[in-house]
Amino acid sequence: GIQVEQSPPDLILQEGANSTLRCNFSDSVNNLQWFHQNPWGQLINLFYIPSGTKQNGRLSATTVATERYSLLYISSSQTTDSGVYFCARRTAGNKLTFGGGTRVLVKP
Amino acid sequence: EPEVTQTPSHQVTQMGQEVILRCVPISNHLYFYWYRQILGQKVEFLVSFYNNEISEKSEIFDDQFSVERPDGSNFTLKIRSTKLEDSAMYFCASRTPGRPAYEQYFGPGTRLTVT
Repeated sequence: GIQVEQSPPDLILQEGANSTLRCNFSDSVNNLQWFHQNPWGQLINLFYIPSGTKQNGRLSATTVATERYSLLYISSSQTTDSGVYFCARRTAGNKLTFGGGTRVLVKP
Repeated sequence: EPEVTQTPSHQVTQMGQEVILRCVPISNHLYFYWYRQILGQKVEFLVSFYNNEISEKSEIFDDQFSVERPDGSNFTLKIRSTKLEDSAMYFCASRTPGRPAYEQYFGPGTRLTVT
């Protein structure tokens, strides 16, 4: 079946640092979303990015569909960026298959 | 900005009891989904719903589960006889048939605890 793998599984950052999270998938993507799950468990849409690059404030994402990966960049990290970041891609039937997530802890 | 809402935010129930989780999707959306996340694990697809019927369901979505759109705004997930292993965060999502065609919008989740 479709596989979505994320790395690293865990990331500890000092406030103000930059980081890159990676999402690899096993076949060509025609839909990819990034989510942030905050410490309260809420799942927050970050980006819908089947290809190309998007930016939203300190976050940006790039998907290279032909190479089967997507990257999420966090710049000037803040403690509120802590949580788990998931990527997910659409599979046949329009359901989303999620990766295992990257757990981010930003220390003050 | 329109958003998907879910109630309750947290529900505690005893094993064997029925629970109904409620969702109000974004008003012009026509495709609806339920996902589940057991604590510490990845988010898993349960079921998709379109045109008043299930379009797809996962192996998790057995006979204990059902979904319904009882009116023009609500979308519900019912678990008939809860088990301990049903304890999880349940997310509702919806999407529009328009562009971008496949972006799903998630609600904040309902944390279900079965004791």
